Amino acid sequence: GQNIDQPTEMTATEGAIVQINCTYQTSGFNGLFWYQQHAGEAPTFLSYNVLDGLEEKGRFSSFLSRSKGYSYLLLKELQMKDSASYLCAVIDSNYQLIWGAGTKLIIKP
Amino acid sequence: ETGVTQTPRHLVMGMTNKKSLKCEQHLGHNAMYWYKQSAKKPLELMFVYSLEERVENNSVPSRFSPECPNSSHLFLHLHTLQPEDSALYLCASSQDWTSGVYEQYFGPGTRLTVT
Repeated sequence: GQNIDQPTEMTATEGAIVQINCTYQTSGFNGLFWYQQHAGEAPTFLSYNVLDGLEEKGRFSSFLSRSKGYSYLLLKELQMKDSASYLCAVIDSNYQLIWGAGTKLIIKP
Repeated sequence: ETGVTQTPRHLVMGMTNKKSLKCEQHLGHNAMYWYKQSAKKPLELMFVYSLEERVENNSVPSRFSPECPNSSHLFLHLHTLQPEDSALYLCASSQDWTSGVYEQYFGPGTRLTVT
């Protein structure tokens, strides 16, 4: 079966750095997305990785290792508004998007 | 209006009612999706339409019936629902269904409660 694993919940302090991990076992791989979803709102696109390595976009970076079936989202200089759920999703060989259950990130002052 | 809109935002219905959810995208995309989001579970893809043709139906009960009259509008018709159908229903669109990279744009969702 196809599976995406993420921690259910994480807590971090304002101004700090947090890394949210995602591991996947899918039939093939055509890319990996990270989305952010604030409570009661729509998921919004954060990043896309298809090649190994780090993609940096402001305070957010996303890393991919295809050989390890592993990705992480790195959030720097955390702000209270970063409190949200972060969803990892993988495109499999049939171009189906397989979603993780999301990681709820709680930021404390 | 920009992006993807959904109405209503909240819906409470009895198990014998019939209601419809509406989604509209203003992005010129060719693919539209219905997802079900339950607490602490992955997004569940229900239906996919590409150029108004249904291309995916992930074993969804017949009490959910989609309709795509044109590439900008998507409906989800609901009838004789069960309490376990209570969830957030999200609509999304993307440029294409089959291309390698298709970032999805989501609407705000309809919070459905079945009593």
